[in-house]
Amino acid sequence: TQLLEQSPQFLSIQEGENLTVYCNSSSVFSSLQWYRQEPGEGPVLLVTVVTGGEVKKLKRLTFQFGDARKDSSLHITAAQPGDTGLYLCAGGGDIIQGAQKLVFGQGTRLTINP
Amino acid sequence: EAGVVQSPRYKIIEKKQPVAFWCNPISGHNTLYWYRQNLGQGPELLIRYENEEAVDDSQLPKDRFSAERLKGVDSTLKIQPAELGDSAVYLCASSPRVGTGANVLTFGAGSRLTVL
Repeated sequence: TQLLEQSPQFLSIQEGENLTVYCNSSSVFSSLQWYRQEPGEGPVLLVTVVTGGEVKKLKRLTFQFGDARKDSSLHITAAQPGDTGLYLCAGGGDIIQGAQKLVFGQGTRLTINP
Repeated sequence: EAGVVQSPRYKIIEKKQPVAFWCNPISGHNTLYWYRQNLGQGPELLIRYENEEAVDDSQLPKDRFSAERLKGVDSTLKIQPAELGDSAVYLCASSPRVGTGANVLTFGAGSRLTVL
């Protein structure tokens, strides 16, 4: 069974600080996705990375896929209260084939205090 | 374009009672997923459909859970009888046809079940 472990599970920081969330596994994934989930809503896809070592940026968010495609990180620069939410990483099968079962991590609950 | 629609949003039942959840995926998405999310955890796949065929139901507790996707569009997830441990959010998601590239799942808002 493929497992994804996220750390930290909880993180509470002040507005303007930087932070990094990690997603680790002993399994190799062909793709890695990050989602953000707000209370009472479903997860919303932020990014998909597919190549070992790949880095993608989404405004103040930087996502990296590990060289061995077993781990990933999410770095947020100058965090804002609007970044508050549950961040989930999810590992998937061959992205070219499309619909595959995603294995989710347990999530990192991030709180940005004004 | 309407997103993935789920109902009901909230359901409170006594244990041993039945309950059903309904999902309408994004138009044209042939793949539909049901996930269960326990409090403070990530979603866990229950079942995945390709059109009307259940292609992955290995984690569906078949003694009490059932699902169907008639005509390959809407889907229903049923629990009978419900147990206390079934309290969770049941998420439905859909994705485009295999071969169109990115494995992009769109989730509904979920159905929160409380079993008393």
